[in-house]
Amino acid sequence: AQSVTQPDIHITVSEGASLELRCNYSYGATPYLFWYVQSPGQGLQLLLKYFSGDTLVQGIKGFEAEFKRSQSSFNLRKPSVHWSDAAEYFCAVGASNTDKLIFGTGTRLQVFP
Amino acid sequence: DAGVIQSPRHEVTEMGQEVTLRCKPISGHNSLFWYRQTMMRGLELLIYFNNNVPIDDSGMPEDRFSAKMPNASFSTLKIQPSEPRDSAVYFCASSAGGGNYGYTFGSGTRLTVV
Repeated sequence: AQSVTQPDIHITVSEGASLELRCNYSYGATPYLFWYVQSPGQGLQLLLKYFSGDTLVQGIKGFEAEFKRSQSSFNLRKPSVHWSDAAEYFCAVGASNTDKLIFGTGTRLQVFP
Repeated sequence: DAGVIQSPRHEVTEMGQEVTLRCKPISGHNSLFWYRQTMMRGLELLIYFNNNVPIDDSGMPEDRFSAKMPNASFSTLKIQPSEPRDSAVYFCASSAGGGNYGYTFGSGTRLTVV
């Protein structure tokens, strides 16, 4: 069965510092992978997605993620965090034979000035 | 495109009352999903539809919850009777279909049952 693990419940970084949010998945075939961001009081917004091809994908707001099949990971990165990046981040996995996405439990990012 | 539209944004109701949440998916999207988000349980999939047909309702907590999708542009989630433990944010999302498209989420309905 598909599953997604986000090991970090809460991360705190200083503004301007680099960021990496971890995501590990379990799926037998090549997964479709997504990162969503949820700002307070808002719905989830798609940051980026990976289907196939180049394992480094670029997203909105300066985020990128790298698919590493050998590690079953799809970590989200940003070189320099802005205070407006404070939000909750969700990793999700899907597949070609289903409409369902499996979401991780989320990582809450706090940014200090 | 106006995105996924949910109404109302906020709902406060008394225990025992019927509550109806509404969702208009993105035109052309053929899959629709209802989620519930709480601090304790996180994001839970309640039910999803494909081409207006319910495909998986295993996440619906109990018989007090029901969902319908009478046409491609409208869906409702009804709770009758409502209980305080139903207090949560309810999200609707739609997708063009297939696991590779991802979802577009609405802004959610914050339900408070007192």
